[in-house]
Amino acid sequence: NAGVTQTPKFRVLKTGQSMTLLCAQDMNHEYMYWYRQDPGMGLRLIHYSVGEGTTAKGEVPDGYNVSRLKKQNFLLGLESAAPSQTSVYFCASRGPGLRQETQYFGPGTRLLVL
Amino acid sequence: AQTVTQSQPEMSVQEAETVTLSCTYDTSENNYYLFWYKQPPSRQMILVIRQEAYKQQNATENRFSVNFQKAAKSFSLKISDSQLGDTAMYFCAFMKLRVAGGTSYGKLTFGQGTILTVHP
Repeated sequence: NAGVTQTPKFRVLKTGQSMTLLCAQDMNHEYMYWYRQDPGMGLRLIHYSVGEGTTAKGEVPDGYNVSRLKKQNFLLGLESAAPSQTSVYFCASRGPGLRQETQYFGPGTRLLVL
Repeated sequence: AQTVTQSQPEMSVQEAETVTLSCTYDTSENNYYLFWYKQPPSRQMILVIRQEAYKQQNATENRFSVNFQKAAKSFSLKISDSQLGDTAMYFCAFMKLRVAGGTSYGKLTFGQGTILTVHP
C-alpha cells in the first residue's frame, strides 16, 4: 500500500515551459487535492476533485489546470510556467470511510521556475 | 472565510521536556474538524492529531494532546517528553465538511506554521 505518490520529486523549468505533475493514490479515495506551499506560509489549495471526472477551483487556481480521468490519479498542469509558480506542490486524498475527514498527503514536488 | 493563526513562528524545547504550540482560528461554523500536521525536513506532511468540534473531550495520541477551547476558538498542541525526532514545522489546520449538490468536500485551511526545535 503506497498511499499517495507524486511524480516527479523535483523539476526545473524555464519560464513559458509546460509540465504536468502526477498524483496517484491506491486507497480508493474519492476526494483529491492539490496544494502549494511557499516559504513562511501554510499550504494553499489550488484545485480539488470530489470524484472521477470532476474538478473544482480552490483558493489559488490561476495558471493551473487539473484533470481526474481515473479515480486514482489527479494531474496538475502548468501550461506556461512563471517564476511565481516556484513552490513545493503537495497532493492529498481522503475518504469516504473510516476517518473520512482526514487528508493524506504525498511527499511533495519541488518546482523551480527560472 | 475561515482563518487560522499560529502566533509562534519558532519554538525550542529541551529533550524530555514539555512544549505547547498555540493555534487560534476564526469561523462562524459550529461543526468542523481541527488538525495538527507535522512537517519534518523531509517535507512529508504527517498527521499528528485530529479533533472533532462536536466532541468536548480533548484528543490524545501517545505523547501528543490538544487543549480545545471551542468558545475561545483555540486549539493548542502539547508535546510531552519531547524527542529529537519531534523537530519539525507544525501546522494547525481547520476543515469544514461542506455539502454541495449532495456531495461533501473538505477544504483544509492552514496556519502559517511553527518551527519546533528539540535540543539534546
